[in-house]
Amino acid sequence: GENVGLHLPTLSVQEGDNSIINCAYSNSASDYFIWYKQESGKGPQFIIDIRSNMDKRQGQRVTVLLNKTVKHLSLQIAATQPGDSAVYFCAENMPQGGSEKLVFGKGTKLTVNP
Amino acid sequence: GAVVSQHPSRVICKSGTSVKIECRSLDFQATTMFWYRQFPKQSLMLMATSNEGSKATYEQGVEKDKFLINHASLTLSTLTVTSAHPEDSSFYICSASSLAGGASWVDQETQYFGPGTRLLVL
Repeated sequence: GENVGLHLPTLSVQEGDNSIINCAYSNSASDYFIWYKQESGKGPQFIIDIRSNMDKRQGQRVTVLLNKTVKHLSLQIAATQPGDSAVYFCAENMPQGGSEKLVFGKGTKLTVNP
Repeated sequence: GAVVSQHPSRVICKSGTSVKIECRSLDFQATTMFWYRQFPKQSLMLMATSNEGSKATYEQGVEKDKFLINHASLTLSTLTVTSAHPEDSSFYICSASSLAGGASWVDQETQYFGPGTRLLVL
């Protein structure tokens, strides 16, 4: 089923490198997408969002790319730092019976080596 | 701005007891609050959505009589895990959103997450 699995995808990078984290979403009707960072034992922290009428959005050191054709999102982190080590989740804002809900992806664990 | 708190941050209880978790929006009025559950090394799963003053909407497979949600005010929602069992041990996270506007630091379409509550049922 959705989000089942005991092993998170992992990405290990060297400090200073750029990181790219990918995510596939499920519903072509989803119109809003968010990337969250979650450190161990804490709640998700908003990083950046993008609406479906855009294909790229940049923040400070982060860029989100949206490819609606293949239902794919990516998060690019420039000059990755040890403090960026965390689990990263994408989430899609999915229409559901007149309301909407956030559906989270499986997550990717990013480890930044000094 | 847009701060959400949860209390307690962690709780240990005996099997069969009930546990209440509070979620508060500290600096904005939350018209909608959401409760998620997260098992180790897994993603967040939405349990229910609650709008202030009305009954919560539960996701498929979530027992509403076991996970009681109350959203009595625009700044407080509570989740009560009734007759908790070891399989209920998890990380429970709330989020809050506001359609009311007013606060300049609150984006109306954003869910602001609390820090989570770790529940361990023995």
